[in-house]
Amino acid sequence: EDKVVQSPLSLVVHEGDTVTLNCSYEVTNFRSLLWYKQEKKAPTFLFMLTSSGIEKKSGRLSSILDKKELSSILNITATQTGDSAIYLCAVQGAQKLVFGQGTRLTINP
Amino acid sequence: ETGVTQTPRHLVMGMTNKKSLKCEQHLGHNAMYWYKQSAKKPLELMFVYSLEERVENNSVPSRFSPECPNSSHLFLHLHTLQPEDSALYLCASSPGELVQPQHFGDGTRLSIL
Repeated sequence: EDKVVQSPLSLVVHEGDTVTLNCSYEVTNFRSLLWYKQEKKAPTFLFMLTSSGIEKKSGRLSSILDKKELSSILNITATQTGDSAIYLCAVQGAQKLVFGQGTRLTINP
Repeated sequence: ETGVTQTPRHLVMGMTNKKSLKCEQHLGHNAMYWYKQSAKKPLELMFVYSLEERVENNSVPSRFSPECPNSSHLFLHLHTLQPEDSALYLCASSPGELVQPQHFGDGTRLSIL
């Protein structure tokens, strides 16, 4: 059965710190890995990583896909209170998008 | 604004009631999805529609009944729900069935009394 595991499940840091969120997967016929940010409403799309695009960056956020290790990391530098959210990792396999449990990130001022 | 609109935002219903959740997407996408999000559990895919045809029914109880009248609208009809059905129900759309990314609506927070 396809599986996506995120770690840690919860993380509390101070504003200005750098954080690294992890995602590992076991998915048949990997097509892409996606990161979403969920505050109180809709999960909003951050990045999509594929075999042809294993590294993405947008401002203070960046993500890398390691297809050999079947994993990905999401880095956030110089964190701000507005980065507090649940970060979801999802992997598209042969049939559907499989989500991890999410990492709840809290940034304290 | 994600381009996917869900109504209502909140719904409280008794176990014997019948209600419907509505989703509308303004992105010109061909695939639409229903997900269930419960506390401390990953998003669970419930149904997938591609070009108005149901392509996935992820072992969902028959008390949940989806309807997709056209590629922009998706409904989830609810009847005789159980307390464990209380959750956030999210609708999403994507350009095609296996084409990412999916764009999500804000969800309907459902509480079963």
